[in-house]
Amino acid sequence: EIVMTQSPATLSVFPGERVTLSCRASQSVSSNLAWYQQKPGQAPRLLIYGASTRATGIPVRFSGSGSGTEFTLTISSLQSEDFAVYYCQQYKNWPPLTFGGGTKVEIK
Amino acid sequence: EVRLLESGGGFVQPGGSLRLSCAASGFTFKDYAMKWVRQAPGKGLEWVSGISASGGSTYYTDSVKGRFTISRDNSKNTLYLQMNTLGADDTAVYYCAKNHWLDFFDYWGQGTLVTVSS
Repeated sequence: EIVMTQSPATLSVFPGERVTLSCRASQSVSSNLAWYQQKPGQAPRLLIYGASTRATGIPVRFSGSGSGTEFTLTISSLQSEDFAVYYCQQYKNWPPLTFGGGTKVEIK
Repeated sequence: EVRLLESGGGFVQPGGSLRLSCAASGFTFKDYAMKWVRQAPGKGLEWVSGISASGGSTYYTDSVKGRFTISRDNSKNTLYLQMNTLGADDTAVYYCAKNHWLDFFDYWGQGTLVTVSS
């Protein structure tokens, strides 16, 4: 099983700041990495797939990078609607499909 | 517009059973694999089960193997999850999710809550 580890667990930021979230895989997943955003009481929403491709309708302030075992989600200028929990997910080797534990982005 | 609508959740005693359904619309259901993902209260996301577009292949996380059965009816555009021998660790919101062509999820339902308690 590929273990996905996200850091930090919580990030406190001011609106307008640049935010960088990390995701590490226990073995290479190539570029088979997706990022999701989840707000309280809502289902997750796909942000990024293929490590760096924005999903339909996702604002350009969201960008993904990395390959192999190290990945980054960057929000260039945090908006009020971006405060949420972010999860990474690998789809290189499964079952099982595996998610990271999440990073909560909260208002500072 | 893609829509996924789960139903069938509720309160059940340990050892009991539930059958979840997910009604799909807005896309050609028979062309896509589908998955179930759950989220325990206050916890992260956990993949539970998956099924191929035809229904011929099914997959499960180890903790539910032998207890849960995923199925689909492509004539009714509906995904199912039969859950037997439920335990407290199965308490979660269960989401159905549509596969992209690869095994990530481009659309999610709103979820249905399953509570296992005596």
